[in-house]
Amino acid sequence: DIVMTQSPDSLAVSLGERATINCKSSQSVLYGSNYKNYLAWYQQKPGQPPKLLIYWASTRESGVPDRFSGSGSGTDFTLTISSLQAEDVAVYYCQQYYSTPTFGQGTKLEIK
Amino acid sequence: EVQLVESGGGLVQPGRSLRLSCAASGFTFDDYAMHWVRQAPGKGLEWVSGISWNSGSIGYADSVKGRFTISRDNAKNSLYLQMNSLRAEDTALYYCAKDSQWLASHPLFDYWGQGTLVTVSS
Repeated sequence: DIVMTQSPDSLAVSLGERATINCKSSQSVLYGSNYKNYLAWYQQKPGQPPKLLIYWASTRESGVPDRFSGSGSGTDFTLTISSLQAEDVAVYYCQQYYSTPTFGQGTKLEIK
Repeated sequence: EVQLVESGGGLVQPGRSLRLSCAASGFTFDDYAMHWVRQAPGKGLEWVSGISWNSGSIGYADSVKGRFTISRDNAKNSLYLQMNSLRAEDTALYYCAKDSQWLASHPLFDYWGQGTLVTVSS
């Protein structure tokens, strides 16, 4: 199975500041036939199920604020929140869907 | 509005069985693959099993292979997970998740239920 490793495990950012979460896969999730990265990001707030934020590494799901963006290719990916809002406090997970799905361990985002 | 409502969780002794159900609404159920994803208390997410739109393709995590069986009834808009030979390490919140596509080959989970808690303990 592809191992997904996120960094950092936790992060504290001031309101209005930028938050950056990294995700690394143990092998490339770039599919050669369509040049798409099979990488998604989810947000999980306390007591709630995960919510899909981004897929194909950089495509925002409908309704997701544009302060959330994804980037990267191959094995290295980043989720960026450009201006942190109080409602963004959550645990964020990356997931590869190139093969049997696996998730990163999660990054807990808090307000500084 | 897409709704996924899980049921069937509870406290069960090691070695016993449990059957989870997921009632789906708000979308054309038989157009999409479906999955079970679990989350142990205070831990991360683990994919458990997935099934294609017509049950033609089924997959399991190694941790549950041979013990769990996924199935679906498109006429009832329902997804199931039969869990046998339960172990303490199966204790988790079990989510029903909708795939974005009809096959289960590249599972992307665009909607999730609230989950049903399974506790395996003597």
